[in-house]
Amino acid sequence: ETGVTQTPRHLVMGMTNKKSLKCEQHLGHNAMYWYKQSAKKPLELMFVYSLEERVENNSVPSRFSPECPNSSHLFLHLHTLQPEDSALYLCASSQVGSSYEQYFGPGTRLTVT
Amino acid sequence: SQELEQSPQSLIVQEGKNLTINCTSSKTLYGLYWYKQKYGEGLIFLMMLQKGGEEKSHEKITAKLDEKKQQSSLHITASQPSHAGIYLCGADLDTGNQFYFGTGTSLTVIP
Repeated sequence: ETGVTQTPRHLVMGMTNKKSLKCEQHLGHNAMYWYKQSAKKPLELMFVYSLEERVENNSVPSRFSPECPNSSHLFLHLHTLQPEDSALYLCASSQVGSSYEQYFGPGTRLTVT
Repeated sequence: SQELEQSPQSLIVQEGKNLTINCTSSKTLYGLYWYKQKYGEGLIFLMMLQKGGEEKSHEKITAKLDEKKQQSSLHITASQPSHAGIYLCGADLDTGNQFYFGTGTSLTVIP
């Protein structure tokens, strides 16, 4: 596989469920990002990991919990989500210092029922 | 208000027509980037502008940066259905690590 992959591509979960989104990059990058894209809203940066350390946490509710076990993998653990959390969740990667040249995954379309 | 505002918010054009999308910053720009997103997919990096007055082209897409006006424009010549999608500008607006994305412009090209 090449580039940035995300699984699953689609996810429907109830408000009491626990699920995880996975992102994997095959580009040799050392920074990874989680974004949320809601309908008719700008892209929202959620978390940034640089060299496997979290460097950005933009006031994201604690029901979203990121994990970066190594520079190639990024997870977003979800629990007790709300319907307003339904959105497209995008993962991206880049080289540290080149945040403008981010490569994005295809996204996970999340629906919370 | 958003740090990066794009206009128009959405655009519907007939195939073959030219169009322009604008991105205006409320802060000093340290570089401006354009991305394209197909519906429901990730973003694709199109091009980067770093100097005032700089202009770059990729196929039929041309982008310009006006540092004084803190603004960039993306121009598509002879639009095609393959140009349809959401166009996002992005920028470094300060000397920190924060990277901002614009509000997005949804483009529909009618065959």
